[in-house]
Amino acid sequence: DAGVIQSPRHEVTEMGQEVTLRCKPISGHNSLFWYRQTMMRGLELLIYFNNNVPIDDSGMPEDRFSAKMPNASFSTLKIQPSEPRDSAVYFCASSFGLALYNEQFFGPGTRLTVL
Amino acid sequence: QQQVKQSPQSLIVQKGGISIINCAYENTAFDYFPWYQQFPGKGPALLIAIRPDVSEKKEGRFTISFNKSAKQFSLHIMDSQPGDSATYFCAASFPGQNFVFGPGTRLSVLP
Repeated sequence: DAGVIQSPRHEVTEMGQEVTLRCKPISGHNSLFWYRQTMMRGLELLIYFNNNVPIDDSGMPEDRFSAKMPNASFSTLKIQPSEPRDSAVYFCASSFGLALYNEQFFGPGTRLTVL
Repeated sequence: QQQVKQSPQSLIVQKGGISIINCAYENTAFDYFPWYQQFPGKGPALLIAIRPDVSEKKEGRFTISFNKSAKQFSLHIMDSQPGDSATYFCAASFPGQNFVFGPGTRLSVLP
């Protein structure tokens, strides 16, 4: 199994630009999570999906952030417009089942730098 | 009340020594406490987890000790190795509650 796949691995963009991060969960997993990691705030859960449906987006910081999961094998996290304070490492994770007890498998992350 | 506090922020241990990382929580509704290990440039990976119905769980060199009355839990790494050098996160959750992660502890094991 290739594990959770994220792209791009690194993204450098200028303030005001749209950024789209992509995630392919592990085949067979039906829950998908988006996290943001910064030195100041640590690891924060932004949103999670179950069976392609958003369950909880209370961690999404602002309306500039949006996430979609059009099918079981693909999800996107979009930031529009991006700001320097959005610079962070964004992780996607997947698990089997909705229960948060189930092990979450993390992708390698996307390091976003907004200039 | 949803926070998980973690200490120390960083830890340096000699090879063969014991590494101890502590976490504390306030919300007594938490009933699942995992530890995640993260190597540089990688995503976190589940290391070991415990439920509050037991006071200790051991997997190889890694042990979680849980003190329900004190609302504290800790990770012990016995015979620490340079390959254990990573950042360790404790976390907590309960049904319907997303994971709350501690701020992390950067462990360095010196050869």
